[in-house]
Amino acid sequence: DTAVSQTPKYLVTQMGNDKSIKCEQNLGHDTMYWYKQDSKKFLKIMFSYNNKELIINETVPNRFSPKSPDKAHLNLHINSLELGDSAVYFCASSRPSGRGNEQFFGPGTRLTVL
Amino acid sequence: KQEVTQIPAALSVPEGENLVLNCSFTDSAIYNLQWFRQDPGKGLTSLLLIQSSQREQTSGRLNASLDKSSGRSTLYIAASQPGDSATYLCAVRTGANNLFFGTGTRLTVIP
Repeated sequence: DTAVSQTPKYLVTQMGNDKSIKCEQNLGHDTMYWYKQDSKKFLKIMFSYNNKELIINETVPNRFSPKSPDKAHLNLHINSLELGDSAVYFCASSRPSGRGNEQFFGPGTRLTVL
Repeated sequence: KQEVTQIPAALSVPEGENLVLNCSFTDSAIYNLQWFRQDPGKGLTSLLLIQSSQREQTSGRLNASLDKSSGRSTLYIAASQPGDSATYLCAVRTGANNLFFGTGTRLTVIP
């Protein structure tokens, strides 16, 4: 199936650990995103990235870093995990050429920090 | 700073009713507006995308309108079904190339 996929679906870890969430899209999109959905179900942009620019939401701690090995992947690395990082993280992508294009979302990764 | 608000926060209707969900945004300088549904514990499914130059979009029983100048959008669902029960999110896309999401409306359609 053509889609945006994320792994793992669930991630439970201890405070202070470093973890990664992987995202892949096979839609031929050139822009990918990471969003965080907090306990109140509010979705907020963390990063948007294409092969030319990375835009970071200024409220995102620098413990979070996106890494893109190629156009189809945008992984999220989190260092020194904190309790407040517990949330659902969504990856998304959109088509090339322009900012009027629809975003497609992955199924989410539920991160629990103990 | 863009802020997106959805009213009501929750809505329960009997099956078969038509209903309207509301979305408002503070900055009219948007590229587009997108409506999503999110089922409990699931990801987001895109329902409709309206470009800033458009007034409405239709898909099956869904119709979304956009009034950019007043900062408002509505999602109309005709002949609601229990399977329509979900949280509906609207999001506006700005020049920063990302989506600003509303707080969502949790819809329950009662059989």
